[in-house]
Amino acid sequence: AQTVTQSQPEMSVQEAETVTLSCTYDTSENNYYLFWYKQPPSRQMILVIRQEAYKQQNATENRFSVNFQKAAKSFSLKISDSQLGDTAMYFCAFMKLINNNDMRFGAGTRLTVKP
Amino acid sequence: ETGVTQTPRHLVMGMTNKKSLKCEQHLGHNAMYWYKQSAKKPLELMFVYSLEERVENNSVPSRFSPECPNSSHLFLHLHTLQPEDSALYLCASSQDGTRYNEQFFGPGTRLTVL
Repeated sequence: AQTVTQSQPEMSVQEAETVTLSCTYDTSENNYYLFWYKQPPSRQMILVIRQEAYKQQNATENRFSVNFQKAAKSFSLKISDSQLGDTAMYFCAFMKLINNNDMRFGAGTRLTVKP
Repeated sequence: ETGVTQTPRHLVMGMTNKKSLKCEQHLGHNAMYWYKQSAKKPLELMFVYSLEERVENNSVPSRFSPECPNSSHLFLHLHTLQPEDSALYLCASSQDGTRYNEQFFGPGTRLTVL
């Protein structure tokens, strides 16, 4: 079974600075998808960024980028120029290419951006 | 309404009560999901419906009973719950067969069992 581990329950960063959230996963699959979801306080969870395991290039979405290390089974999220609106729970998730209804999530990292 | 909606947003119930959670998606998707979100634990996938057929049931106790009358609506019927069932229940939807099968989430129902 696939497991996803987020080792940082809570983190904080000053506004405008950069922060990196860690995620590791365990799988025997060779091809799969990885995701970062953001859940702001009392608001809906939304997709931040995704990565396809067969792509070596790290995904980037504006201020959000990932460092995908397939051999190490590591998928960290870097947030540049942090904004107050980035304050949220961040969840790392894994999904196989087949049977892709079953998404596995980590326990989440609570990020607080301080003014 | 757009996206995925859930009602009620908050629910307090006794252990002997029967209640239902409702989810509605306005995205034209063909798959819907129930998740349980407890503090400091990973999201737990409870049920998956694809094309209105249940395709996943992750060893969920029978006091939780899902119902998917059509591709836009999903219910979670609750009866004789336990205090440890208190959590945020999230509904999601996706379009099976697409490349990423990206899931779109509702705001959740905060359930408290007394």
